[in-house]
Amino acid sequence: GAVVSQHPSRVICKSGTSVKIECRSLDFQATTMFWYRQFPKQSLMLMATSNEGSKATYEQGVEKDKFLINHASLTLSTLTVTSAHPEDSSFYICSAISLIDQPQHFGDGTRLSIL
Amino acid sequence: QKEVEQNSGPLSVPEGAIASLNCTYSDRGSQSFFWYRQYSGKSPELIMFIYSNGDKEDGRFTAQLNKASQYVSLLIRDSQPSDSATYLCAVNDKGGGNKLTFGTGTQLKVEL
Repeated sequence: GAVVSQHPSRVICKSGTSVKIECRSLDFQATTMFWYRQFPKQSLMLMATSNEGSKATYEQGVEKDKFLINHASLTLSTLTVTSAHPEDSSFYICSAISLIDQPQHFGDGTRLSIL
Repeated sequence: QKEVEQNSGPLSVPEGAIASLNCTYSDRGSQSFFWYRQYSGKSPELIMFIYSNGDKEDGRFTAQLNKASQYVSLLIRDSQPSDSATYLCAVNDKGGGNKLTFGTGTQLKVEL
């Protein structure tokens, strides 16, 4: 149980392109989803917390206009990296929880490479 | 600033030995504690979670929590080469809306 699916697993695109990443909870309803970014040899950095039907809460230093998050249903959240540039190249990972205090379960991640 | 500290390693242990991974945290209000395993190029995978002081065992894994010392550890018995990975300690402050603060991880190498 507690399976989180993330798509796509890898994206390579040109600078200036917008990229959408989907995160789905397959066998549970996710009250909250989280979006992380991880640079090589560094730990996970939380970008934003997403609750179904409400606006995402962004961490300090994360540009909300650049990283658009939509959590339209209890099983789907999307992250759109708008006008991506090479410095946005990273490993983006989502996670989801079903109930308060339950562990976060992670998707497989999306490796984004901007040329 | 809430902090979670881990020794980056690498920690090398021979196959069959016990691997001991340690983590300290700065926020006394922390409520829940998690250990994740992350293989290179992959996303984290939940290994254990612990909420109360003491030990919690699950197969070859034992999590230990000491809130007074603000210390949480993970023991891996009968270590296998497949256990070689980076182990991330994560701490949840309930007042923070279930957000996790991650340590930088300890790289474990289990050698044949």
